[in-house]
Amino acid sequence: DGGITQSPKYLFRKEGQNVTLSCEQNLNHDAMYWYRQDPGQGLRLIYYSQIVNDFQKGDIAEGYSVSREKKESFPLTVTSAQKNPTAFYLCASSTRQGGAFFGQGTRLTVV
Amino acid sequence: QKEVEQNSGPLSVPEGAIASLNCTYSDRGSQSFFWYRQYSGKSPELIMFIYSNGDKEDGRFTAQLNKASQYVSLLIRDSQPSDSATYLCAVNLSGSARQLTFGSGTQLTVLP
Repeated sequence: DGGITQSPKYLFRKEGQNVTLSCEQNLNHDAMYWYRQDPGQGLRLIYYSQIVNDFQKGDIAEGYSVSREKKESFPLTVTSAQKNPTAFYLCASSTRQGGAFFGQGTRLTVV
Repeated sequence: QKEVEQNSGPLSVPEGAIASLNCTYSDRGSQSFFWYRQYSGKSPELIMFIYSNGDKEDGRFTAQLNKASQYVSLLIRDSQPSDSATYLCAVNLSGSARQLTFGSGTQLTVLP
C-alpha cells in the first residue's frame, strides 16, 4: 500500500533531550513537509523539502532540524532548544499539483 | 491579517441539512485551494481541491472558489453525523512553491 508512515505514534521527551521523529513515504513524491499542530489550532509549517539534499525553513523552524538524504525519508529532530515541543507533529508529501497527503502523526509530550 | 482565515465555529447543523464552511485568503495571486477533514486525534484527510473560479462537485461535497472576492467555500449536502469533524482550508500562496498555508479550521457538528 502506498502512503506515508510516521513513527512513533506517541513520544515522550525529557527536558534537555533531543528526539527524532521518523517519516517515510512510498508515493514517489518529491516534496515533503513537517507541520506542527497545537490544540485547537491549524497547522504551522516547520520545514519543507522539494528535493533530496535540499530543505528550507518554514514559519517555526527554531529548535528543529531535518535531513533529506533519501527521497523516501524526511526525519525531524526536536532539539533541546525547542522550549515548548509538546504538540501533534504531522509529516506530509505532495504531488506537483500541490495537494498534500499526511501521515498519521506523532504526538510528542514533554515529561 | 492572517493569510488564511476561517470561522472557528463551532458550527452545528441538523442531520440532512447543508453545512456551509467558508475561508478567505489574503494573497490575490494564490492559485490552488484545498479542503481537509480532520477527525479528533487524527491527521488531516484531503477531501477537495479547486483551482478555477466556480463550483466543483464531488459526491455530497461542493467546493466554490471566487478569486475576485478571495474566498473559497465548502458545502456539504445531506450532512451526516459522520461528517462531524474539523474542516481545514489550505491555500498554496503565490511564491511559496508547493507548501500549503492552513487556516485554523472550523469545527462542524452534525446533530442526529
